[in-house]
Amino acid sequence: QKEVEQNSGPLSVPEGAIASLNCTYSDRGSQSFFWYRQYSGKSPELIMSIYSNGDKEDGRFTAQLNKASQYVSLLIRDSQPSDSATYLCAGDQTGANNLFFGTGTRLTVIP
Amino acid sequence: GAVVSQHPSWVICKSGTSVKIECRSLDFQATTMFWYRQFPKQSLMLMATSNEGSKATYEQGVEKDKFLINHASLTLSTLTVTSAHPEDSSFYICSAANRATEAFFGQGTRLTVV
Repeated sequence: QKEVEQNSGPLSVPEGAIASLNCTYSDRGSQSFFWYRQYSGKSPELIMSIYSNGDKEDGRFTAQLNKASQYVSLLIRDSQPSDSATYLCAGDQTGANNLFFGTGTRLTVIP
Repeated sequence: GAVVSQHPSWVICKSGTSVKIECRSLDFQATTMFWYRQFPKQSLMLMATSNEGSKATYEQGVEKDKFLINHASLTLSTLTVTSAHPEDSSFYICSAANRATEAFFGQGTRLTVV
């Protein structure tokens, strides 16, 4: 089982809609989770980090963490065409200082 | 967010030559830096974890004699691809972690070996 799993998509949503991205992880000891956005040919960019159960909001982005069910999600409200990118979910590894990345979900926001 | 600078952003080299890629954390001290490789349409693949002042820890299947990593200071790590071959052509990305284990990425280096 992969440490971090994501639906590879592609996910298409119309402009203005809510995009929902999901991620599950296998290491129950993981404490930190991150969402990165990666445009084609570019390096990943950190957009959200979450450490506690519940929701964390930042502008149009809301990260949700449920440690009991071992999933992390990212909601993008009022989706814009500029949000079209690959979104990578990452979680830390117990006792180590590196991150496990999911394979990424390709999001397309249709104007 | 924190700034990580990676150079060069792209490089073309002849087969058999070596290429050095630099990764600098500009506004924070990174005790740990990571090197990733990413092939087209694939996710990041961790190559090695580099701690300042000590030898890098390589992931299984990554040749440590081919991918030389030096982490001489808290703000600089280098990756040298030695005797590069066309199959080494890829997008190489470094990241530096702060105390909160947030990882910030460099701009990436597109390596093409001809």
